[in-house]
Order: sequence, then structure tokens, then C-alpha cells
Amino acid sequence: EVQLVESGGGLVQPGSSLKLSCVASGFTFSNYGMNWIRQAPKKGLEWIALIYYDSSNKYYADSVKGRFTISRDNSKNTLYLEMNSLRSEDTAMYYCAKYDYGSYSLDYWGQGVMVTVSS
Amino acid sequence: DIVLTQSPALAVSLGQRATISCRASQSVSTSSYNLMHWYQQKPGQQPKLLIYDASNLASSIPARFSGSGSGTDFTLTINPVQADDIATYYCQQSRELPLTFGSGTKLEIK
Repeated sequence: EVQLVESGGGLVQPGSSLKLSCVASGFTFSNYGMNWIRQAPKKGLEWIALIYYDSSNKYYADSVKGRFTISRDNSKNTLYLEMNSLRSEDTAMYYCAKYDYGSYSLDYWGQGVMVTVSS
Repeated sequence: DIVLTQSPALAVSLGQRATISCRASQSVSTSSYNLMHWYQQKPGQQPKLLIYDASNLASSIPARFSGSGSGTDFTLTINPVQADDIATYYCQQSRELPLTFGSGTKLEIK
């Protein structure tokens, strides 16, 4: 069974940093691209970052480019999102999602981790 | 960026057909694939993939869900609607980065 479990969220002040983790199981993590998607309270879904299976390519939404960094450790089956210079508009539930290379859909999602940026 | 437009809400009666539409600002189809996908999100839960490549049912999804469309116009159909289908439905394109989602259609019971 595919499982994705996020952690690392919390309440932080504007301008601070936070690092999210997503531990994967039930599939060969090193064979698949991974994504981070976020959802602000009562809002829709926003894709924010993609990393290829071998970390050879990384892509970001304009809203986080230069502030957020996606990375992975295939030896630990773990995906990361390092978030710097956090703003109130970064307040959201953050989901990791597996990329299906066949369809380029997001075929499995974690349960999400909440990040709140507030003074 | 490719903008996906969905109606905000749809009310249907139990046992009837629900048709949810998604229109893209430019084609999301290639010569081989229609790169549009549909997700269901229930309150307090993560999204779940329902349909990939416009018309393919994802694993473990009941056959009352179906998808169609190509180019810029796509449809998710639920027939018949059951009480468990109350959720928000999102379309998403993977034709190009950034991946984008529609704003979601909330399915309500009449």
C-alpha cells in the first residue's frame, strides 16, 4: 500500500524558516518524481514544486521560487521542502504527492501538514 | 500558465447524473494524450485521483465515475450520484508546467 506521511509543520513568524518532510512507503521511491502542493484555508489547490526521481531537475511555482527548495533523499525514501522568508500568504496545508510518469497525474497524496505563518 | 475554469457548485438529487465541466485556456492535449485529470476532495481529507488522461478510471474508483473530453473542454460525470460523493472536485492539467488546478466544483445534494 502506498503511503506518504508529511511532518514538520507548525506556527511560525513571518520571515522565518521551516522544513517539511514526506516519508514514502509502498513503492520504489527512487523511481518516481515527487511534488508539493498546498491549499490555503478554504481555498483551492496550488502546485508549488516538482523534483525528478533522481533530483536532476527541479521546478517551482513563481509564488515560491527563490524562497522554497525541494529536495529528496532516496536512501531514506524522504522528500523535503525547505521554506525560507515565510509570509502570511504561505499559510496552508501542504501535501506531498507522487507523480505518475505514465499519465503525469498525481496518483497518491499524503494526508497533509499545516503551516501557519503569523505574528 | 494554463488557466482551468470550473463552475463553483452543482446541486443534484441522489440517484441522478452529475456533470462537472472544466475548460482550459489552451489545449492540454497532445497527439497521443489528453493531459487532464480529476480529483475528489472530501472535507478534512487529501485529494484523491479519480480520472487520469481525461477518461481513464484510477485504481479502486467505482465505475459510476467517468470522464471525457479533449483539447480545451473536459467533463467529469457521476452517475448515479450517491451520498458518499459529496465533495469538491478539481480538474488539473499536466500539459505544461506549472501544473495548474481548476478552482473546484462543490457537489451538493438537492
